[in-house]
Amino acid sequence: NAGVTQTPKFRVLKTGQSMTLLCAQDMNHEYMYWYRQDPGMGLRLIHYSVGEGTTAKGEVPDGYNVSRLKKQNFLLGLESAAPSQTSVYFCASGLAGLSSYEQYFGPGTRLTVT
Amino acid sequence: AQRVTQPEKLLSVFKGAPVELKCNYSYSGSPELFWYVQYSRQRLQLLLRHISRESIKGFTADLNKGETSFHLKKPFAQEEDSAMYYCALGYNTDKLIFGTGTRLQVFP
Repeated sequence: NAGVTQTPKFRVLKTGQSMTLLCAQDMNHEYMYWYRQDPGMGLRLIHYSVGEGTTAKGEVPDGYNVSRLKKQNFLLGLESAAPSQTSVYFCASGLAGLSSYEQYFGPGTRLTVT
Repeated sequence: AQRVTQPEKLLSVFKGAPVELKCNYSYSGSPELFWYVQYSRQRLQLLLRHISRESIKGFTADLNKGETSFHLKKPFAQEEDSAMYYCALGYNTDKLIFGTGTRLQVFP
């Protein structure tokens, strides 16, 4: 099993460009999450999903959109990138129910917006 | 609102010394606390959770509701313990809020 994979690993964007980050998991997990990690700020939740076809806002959702069309995939979109979105993005997945706090993380995507 | 505070950005110790990584939380409900760890060039992974009261890799953490703390301890640090450690609070049944992390450096 590959676990949680993220595509791409690195990306450089110019201000105003758009892109989509792909997260895929092969563990049949119900829940999926997108975080951003910035120096000195830990991980902050952007959006999450508790099942196929559902999405919800996290702590810092502005400037991002997400979709969960298939259970195994969770896409994070930036419609018009800004330098403030320079960060490392992590995807995670987890089981529903009592174990939902145990999350399995991807390797991260390092995004730079110039 | 819920909050997790890790006051130390960096903790440096020598091999064999005791380690305590501090974590304090703020939450109006019944807390579920976790420690996650990220070793160099590896993914973030769960280290331990308070509810299981287990010791993982020699680390333990006790939930102190009176002091709203969940400090991570190990009596004798090893070089392979060097990593980034995040304390996390579970809330609303499906979300985690993370602290800002503490980098542990263990010198030989």
